[in-house]
Amino acid sequence: NAGVTQTPKFQVLKTGQSMTLQCAQDMNHEYMSWYRQDPGMGLRLIHYSVGAGITDQGEVPNGYNVSRSTTEDFPLRLLSAAPSQTSVYFCASTSGQGDNEQFFGPGTRLTVL
Amino acid sequence: GEDVEQSLFLSVREGDSSVINCTYTDSSSTYLYWYKQEPGAGLQLLTYIFSNMDMKQDQRLTVLLNKKDKHLSLRIADTQTGDSAIYFCAEEDSNYQLIWGAGTKLIIKP
Repeated sequence: NAGVTQTPKFQVLKTGQSMTLQCAQDMNHEYMSWYRQDPGMGLRLIHYSVGAGITDQGEVPNGYNVSRSTTEDFPLRLLSAAPSQTSVYFCASTSGQGDNEQFFGPGTRLTVL
Repeated sequence: GEDVEQSLFLSVREGDSSVINCTYTDSSSTYLYWYKQEPGAGLQLLTYIFSNMDMKQDQRLTVLLNKKDKHLSLRIADTQTGDSAIYFCAEEDSNYQLIWGAGTKLIIKP
């Protein structure tokens, strides 16, 4: 299994540009999440999904959209990038059963100029 | 709302024990987690504890849970340079999502 994969690893955008961060998992997990990580603030939940076709907002959803058309994929879209969105983004998935371990992707480092 | 708090830094000498503390607010949490993030890397599950347990030991790691005080700690025995990382405490909410602390950077002095 590849686990959780994310692309790209690095991205630089100009203010106002849009882009999509890709996330995929091959563990047949129902639950997937997007977090952003900022120094001194830990991880903050952006959006999450409890299954294909179902998404919900997390703690900091503004400026981001998600969709979950398949169990495997959970892309995160930045509609109009702002410097405040400069961060490291982590995608995670969990089965939602047992010890509920979250499996993380390697992260995407995004800089918005 | 729910909140998880931890100190931002901890400095220990190589060979000593490290104790990283965490407090949380959600009394209905079922699982509490410790994740490790090494420089430039993603997050890795280190250990976890179920809320009806007081202690869990796994090799050099000991997790202590005081549910009454909503206090969680991670003890690393015989701390090594390879333990240098940021350690995140997290509690699970009713939607299976994790509420994270800000992370404690563990600094190892020779």
